[in-house]
Amino acid sequence: DIVMTQGALPNPVPSGESASITCQSSKSLLHSNGKTYLNWYLQRPGQSPQLLIYWMSTRASGVSDRFSGSGSGTDFTLKISSVEAEDVGVYYCQQFLEYPLTFGSGTKLEIK
Amino acid sequence: EVQLVESGGGLVQPGRSLKLSCVASGFTFSNYGMNWIRQAPGKGLEWVAYISSGSSYIYYAETVKGRFTISRDNAKNTLYLQMTSLRSEDTALYYCARHPPPPGGWFAYWGQGTLVTVSS
Repeated sequence: DIVMTQGALPNPVPSGESASITCQSSKSLLHSNGKTYLNWYLQRPGQSPQLLIYWMSTRASGVSDRFSGSGSGTDFTLKISSVEAEDVGVYYCQQFLEYPLTFGSGTKLEIK
Repeated sequence: EVQLVESGGGLVQPGRSLKLSCVASGFTFSNYGMNWIRQAPGKGLEWVAYISSGSSYIYYAETVKGRFTISRDNAKNTLYLQMTSLRSEDTALYYCARHPPPPGGWFAYWGQGTLVTVSS
């Protein structure tokens, strides 16, 4: 199975500052078709997860442009520019290169 | 508007069975693969199972393989998860989530979840 490892944030993050969440995969997620099979989600407290980013860097419909995804084949970053109160929650990365689909353990974001 | 509504959760004793349902609306259910994803209390997300639009392709997490069965009824716009030989570690909020057309593999639509508690 592909193991997804997420880094922690130096919480709390001051409002208006930027935050970067890291995710590392145990296998390259770069497919021969040139696409990287990596997604990001935000789960706000008490809510179902929300898709933020797919194909490593494509924002989902309705997602603020304060969110951006980048990376290589095994190392990925979700950057949140100018964090706001509504960004509070747990962020997950997920690979879909192969089954079983796997998620990272989550990174909690708190705002000061 | 896409809607996914899970039901069937509850308190069940270890070793017993339970069947979850997910009713879909707002899209052509028969055109999309579907997934079950679970979240133990206070824990992260764990993908459980996938079924393709026509039920030709089915995949399971190793933790549930041989005990859980995913199925669907496209005429009823309903996804199912039959769970047998339940264990305490199966206690979780179970979400259904829509799969995009291949080669996509993200979950843009989720239900609110149904809680399964396995305890004596």
